[in-house]
Amino acid sequence: DIQMTQSPSSLSASVGDRVTITCQASQDITNYLNWYQQKPGKAPQLLIYDAYNLEMGVPSRFSGSGSGTDFTFTISSLQPEDIATYYCQQYDNLPYTFGQGTKLEIK
Amino acid sequence: QVQLQESGPRLVKPSQTLSLTCTVSGGSISSGDYYWSWIRQPPGKGLEWIGYIYYSGSTYYNPSLKSRVTILIDTSKNQFSLNLSSVTAADTAVYYCARDRSTAVDYWGQGTLVTVSS
Repeated sequence: DIQMTQSPSSLSASVGDRVTITCQASQDITNYLNWYQQKPGKAPQLLIYDAYNLEMGVPSRFSGSGSGTDFTFTISSLQPEDIATYYCQQYDNLPYTFGQGTKLEIK
Repeated sequence: QVQLQESGPRLVKPSQTLSLTCTVSGGSISSGDYYWSWIRQPPGKGLEWIGYIYYSGSTYYNPSLKSRVTILIDTSKNQFSLNLSSVTAADTAVYYCARDRSTAVDYWGQGTLVTVSS
């Protein structure tokens, strides 16, 4: 299985801050990388697909970049409603695997 | 708007079989554009892909669970189902059904917590 390693595991930031989360794959996954947001008690929601494509209806403050083994997820200006856990997921190889998650809190 | 809804027992005894059904509304499960998936999340932990089924009935199961998992599809009812046999406490989790468009999961059910306990 491809291992996905996210960092940091948790993050505290202020409203308006730029927030960055990284995800590293254990092998080259080209750009087959997605990012999801999960709010407490809710199902995950797709934010970014194919490493950098914004899912329809998702605010433009969210963005993604990277290819190969190293990927980055960015929130350009943190909003209170962005409090959630964020997961990366690879779909290059079955079984599809997720990172362990990054829990984002407001400072 | 596509919606998915899980249903089934919330409490299962150890060694028994966990059975869940996902009812899809707002779209046909027979569409060849999607895979229909099950994903689980133990309390306070991360996400694990269980497997998926295509409208034709072809399946993929995570090797970590393959010996215990069966996913079936009923196109006449617009439903697909999960059976997980010989459960233990480690199978306690929120189980999500989901639509996979082959590049990402774009619709999820609300999830159902299944507890394995005697």
